[in-house]
Amino acid sequence: GAGVSQSPSNKVTEKGKDVELRCDPISGHTALYWYRQSLGQGLEFLIYFQGNSAPDKSGLPSDRFSAERTGGSVSTLTIQRTQQEDSAVYLCASSRLSVITDTQYFGPGTRLTVL
Amino acid sequence: SQQGEEDPQALSIQEGENATMNCSYKTSINNLQWYRQNSGRGLVHLILIRSNEREKHSGRLRVTLDTSRKSSSLLITASRAADTASYFCATNSGYSTLTFGKGTMLLVSP
Repeated sequence: GAGVSQSPSNKVTEKGKDVELRCDPISGHTALYWYRQSLGQGLEFLIYFQGNSAPDKSGLPSDRFSAERTGGSVSTLTIQRTQQEDSAVYLCASSRLSVITDTQYFGPGTRLTVL
Repeated sequence: SQQGEEDPQALSIQEGENATMNCSYKTSINNLQWYRQNSGRGLVHLILIRSNEREKHSGRLRVTLDTSRKSSSLLITASRAADTASYFCATNSGYSTLTFGKGTMLLVSP
C-alpha cells in the first residue's frame, strides 16, 4: 500500500509568514509523529499523536508551533510567524500501534526555507 | 537533546569492504533502532534490537547491543555503492517517541 506522504515537498516563505505542512499517514496507523531535522543534524522530536489520546506536545520548540490531527488520520503542522531558525526538513512518521516496539514509517519530508 | 551519538561522523570505504558504525547512548532503553536516510529526506527503518537482545541479523546487516556499555554497533558487510547514505541510531526509553543521534555519513566508492 501507499506509504506516508507529505506536502508540499518544498516550501519557501518569508520571515513572519505562517506555513502549514501536511502529513498523510499510512491508512490504519494509529500513531503519528512529527520531527524536525536541521542541516547536518539528527532528528528532533516535535509532537506525537496516539489514537484518541491527547497529543504529546513536549517537543514543540515554541508556542508558534502547533499541530492537529483530524479524524485520526491527516495531520497538519502549523508554524506561525516563521523565523529563519525554523528552516529545516520536517519529517512525519506513522506507526501501526502506539507501542514502543512498533516500527515508525517516515514520509519524504517537507524542506522549509525561511528567507 | 540527543540521546544517541554515532561514531564515526563520516566513513568512506570501497565497495566490498565492511562498514562498522557505532552508537552510544546515555540512559536506559527499551530498544534501539537503526535507520538509513538518503539525500537528507525520508528515513528507512533498518533493524530494531530490544534491550534483552545482544545481536541481530538482517541480510547484510548485523547489529549488536551492549547495555552495560550503553552502546550499539551496525555492521554492513560486503558494502555496495547503493549503501551510501546517512545512518542514524534511535533509542526508545519507555515512551513511543524515538530519540535520534546525529548520524554517520557513509560513502561507498565503486
